[in-house]
Amino acid sequence: EAGVTQFPSHSVIEKGQTVTLRCDPISGHDNLYWYRRVMGKEIKFLLHFVKESKQDESGMPNNRFLAERTGGTYSTLKVQPAELEDSGVYFCASSLSIYEQYFGPGTRLTVT
Amino acid sequence: AQKVTQAQTEISVVEKEDVTLDCVYETRDTTYYLFWYKQPPSGELVFLIRRNSFDEQNEISGRYSWNFQKSTSSFNFTITASQVVDSAVYFCALRSGNQFYFGTGTSLTVIP
Repeated sequence: EAGVTQFPSHSVIEKGQTVTLRCDPISGHDNLYWYRRVMGKEIKFLLHFVKESKQDESGMPNNRFLAERTGGTYSTLKVQPAELEDSGVYFCASSLSIYEQYFGPGTRLTVT
Repeated sequence: AQKVTQAQTEISVVEKEDVTLDCVYETRDTTYYLFWYKQPPSGELVFLIRRNSFDEQNEISGRYSWNFQKSTSSFNFTITASQVVDSAVYFCALRSGNQFYFGTGTSLTVIP
């Protein structure tokens, strides 16, 4: 069974540019989560999809971040325009139940 | 407020030594879940264990053991006879309500 995949693995962009991160969850997992870890800090929750609906987006830092989940399958997280403080590792996780999560390898975003 | 504290930022041990990773959590909920994840150099977070708040039994899985104590709000993780392959970042997490809360992680280096 394929795990959670994320693309790209690493992205380097300049301040003000746009970046779109993609997450493909494990097939059949209705729950999809986005997290971010800034260097040395804790992994922080961004938002939670149940199928194509946003169940909880209380962790989204501001309106420069837009998450979508087309048809309840893969999800994208767009940052527009990117700022320096957006740098970090963005993790995606998926699950069948709310009691466990399977994580992807993360996308390392560097904004210069 | 929910919070997970991993006070140890980095730990180095010599192979075959035992090592304990500390985790202290805060929550007002009576029902919650505690987790440990391992993040090897490849990046993805690997699930190790889940514990619910009503089960304070300690658990042993091979060289890994976990000590859950509600009285001190701690969920510590011990690796016995450490091996080089144990080198990774370890995250403790709390699920309380609808969200996961992670600690800042402990980077463990096992020296051959």
